[in-house]
Amino acid sequence: DAGVTQSPTHLIKTRGQHVTLRCSPISGHKSVSWYQQVLGQGPQFIFQYYEKEERGRGNFPDRFSARQFPNYSSELNVNALLLGDSALYLCASSLDGRDYNEQFFGPGTRLTVL
Amino acid sequence: AQKVTQAQTEISVVEKEDVTLDCVYETRDTTYYLFWYKQPPSGELVFLIRRNSFDEQNEISGRYSWNFQKSTSSFNFTITASQVVDSAVYFCALPGTTDKLIFGTGTRLQVFP
Repeated sequence: DAGVTQSPTHLIKTRGQHVTLRCSPISGHKSVSWYQQVLGQGPQFIFQYYEKEERGRGNFPDRFSARQFPNYSSELNVNALLLGDSALYLCASSLDGRDYNEQFFGPGTRLTVL
Repeated sequence: AQKVTQAQTEISVVEKEDVTLDCVYETRDTTYYLFWYKQPPSGELVFLIRRNSFDEQNEISGRYSWNFQKSTSSFNFTITASQVVDSAVYFCALPGTTDKLIFGTGTRLQVFP
């Protein structure tokens, strides 16, 4: 079975632009979470979606938004990019998003903002 | 609030040495889960273990073992007879109140041949 997939792998944008990152969860998983990992730090939680509904949101500005589609894939959108948004964006899927279920992570999208 | 502390920023060992990665956590929950993840240079986080706070038995999986001590709020990870392929950043994590998972800052392990 395929693992979590993310696209694109790498992305270079300039300040003020908008970006859309995509994630496909493991087949059968209904929950998707997004994390931002700045170089040298641990991942920081951004959003969790389950059955197309937002279930959790981390401490990120409104420039960050996300959605989940009927096939459980997800998009993360970031508007008005700042230099500080440069990071590895990780998507994780789990069966139903409950705390005791392990999350399976994708390879990430490395975003560079110039 | 929940918090995970990994005080060791970087550890270097020579192959076949044993190494222990420390994790100290804070939580007000009486029931909780703890996780360890490995992040090799490729960047993908790999799940290693999940531990329920009810179960304080040590766990062993091949060369990996975990020591969970509720009394000291620690969940340490030991690699026995380390190998070059163990070189990676290791994260300890805990589910948060609003955050899905709260990660520590990670410990970078370098194993030299």
